[in-house]
Amino acid sequence: IAGITQAPTSQILAAGRRMTLRCTQDMRHNAMYWYRQDLGLGLRLIHYSNTAGTTGKGEVPDGYSVSRANTDDFPLTLASAVPSQTSVYFCASSEPGDGTDTQYFGPGTRLTVL
Amino acid sequence: GQNIDQPTEMTATEGAIVQINCTYQTSGFNGLFWYQQHAGEAPTFLSYNVLDGLEEKGRFSSFLSRSKGYSYLLLKELQMKDSASYLCAGMDSNYQLIWGAGTKLIIKP
Repeated sequence: IAGITQAPTSQILAAGRRMTLRCTQDMRHNAMYWYRQDLGLGLRLIHYSNTAGTTGKGEVPDGYSVSRANTDDFPLTLASAVPSQTSVYFCASSEPGDGTDTQYFGPGTRLTVL
Repeated sequence: GQNIDQPTEMTATEGAIVQINCTYQTSGFNGLFWYQQHAGEAPTFLSYNVLDGLEEKGRFSSFLSRSKGYSYLLLKELQMKDSASYLCAGMDSNYQLIWGAGTKLIIKP
């Protein structure tokens, strides 16, 4: 089934630990995104990648890093987790050449940092 | 600055019609998106407007006025399964989406 998968579904993490959230898409989309969603706030862009081999910073990049070694995978790493990074994380992808650049979302990862 | 405003919560009755408004301010404009998000799930794409006017898609329609920085999502013949949050997002000149906080729609029988 075409789409985006994320792993893990949920995670409880001790502060100071390193964590990588995985995201894989099979739609061959060039662009990928990482968002966090917090209660009462809109989705906020953490990092994005317009194509394999390139990445860019979004609105809230501090404390996070990404890599885009190939078209399908876009992992997000928290180098040293802090409680303020407790959130729901969504990965999304889009194809800028499709005329609308509509973003399609993965199921999300619920992360709790204690 | 860039900003998207939409009501926090709305209540409507099953079978009725509801209109969810959104005003936007973006640096440049490359379209206005509406997504639906059920509790605990991912946002799913509903509609895209880049030209003024109404786009109809079954029970859902979306309207855009670029001169007013305004959009609305119209839901007809409401069903209980329409209970969800509706997210408005404007695409800026860098093709990044600026998101509203979402409107939680509660449908009552």
